[in-house]
Amino acid sequence: DAKTTQPNSMESNEEEPVHLPCNHSTISGTDYIHWYRQLPSQGPEYVIHGLTSNVNNRMASLAIAEDRKSSTLILHRATLRDAAVYYCILRGTYNNNDMRFGAGTRLTVKP
Amino acid sequence: GAGVSQSPRYKVTKRGQDVALRCDPISGHVSLYWYRQALGQGPEFLTYFNYEAQQDKSGLPNDRFSAERPEGSISTLTIQRTEQRDSAMYRCASSLALLGTGFMNTEAFFGQGTRLTVV
Repeated sequence: DAKTTQPNSMESNEEEPVHLPCNHSTISGTDYIHWYRQLPSQGPEYVIHGLTSNVNNRMASLAIAEDRKSSTLILHRATLRDAAVYYCILRGTYNNNDMRFGAGTRLTVKP
Repeated sequence: GAGVSQSPRYKVTKRGQDVALRCDPISGHVSLYWYRQALGQGPEFLTYFNYEAQQDKSGLPNDRFSAERPEGSISTLTIQRTEQRDSAMYRCASSLALLGTGFMNTEAFFGQGTRLTVV
């Protein structure tokens, strides 16, 4: 049973913002929302994570809905190097901190 | 080491042989995860550990697959009597768990993976 739901694919133009949505309607109060991405022929890499408040780092921003049932990863200016599969994952706490990947969203960036 | 190290990087084995894949996590990382990834697919969760305790092995496909982390550091994923369908990239990841006012997972770091080919 999928814990998160993401669109299969999205397209963006280079240097434009990209908003990648994720639905997680069954999220529990202690689940953190993590985002990872996987570039072609590489292993997954961490992008950002949060619990309740919006988060910013050098790579992206994470906007979390007030009810926490959805979140959006925001790439402020997409570059060709951002073309990857983006995964939204829920991670629990203590001994429920498994990390399961779904199908993710394949982002294509057009020059 | 500086990152998560997996060995071997490539393994070709004959059908029916046993293989052992090794993962050396970042020093001090509490959580260690194993995944299998077929070409064009996302990482498929296999199992994970906190310290030496195997927390969840529900992702292991069948009883030919097993994993251990006896001292809470290095982990080994063993596949017995390999079959061609076991051919895939096997990935390991590790992360810290911060215990303070609560529990917080930090980012997970992935190794380079072991490409297993069963012929």
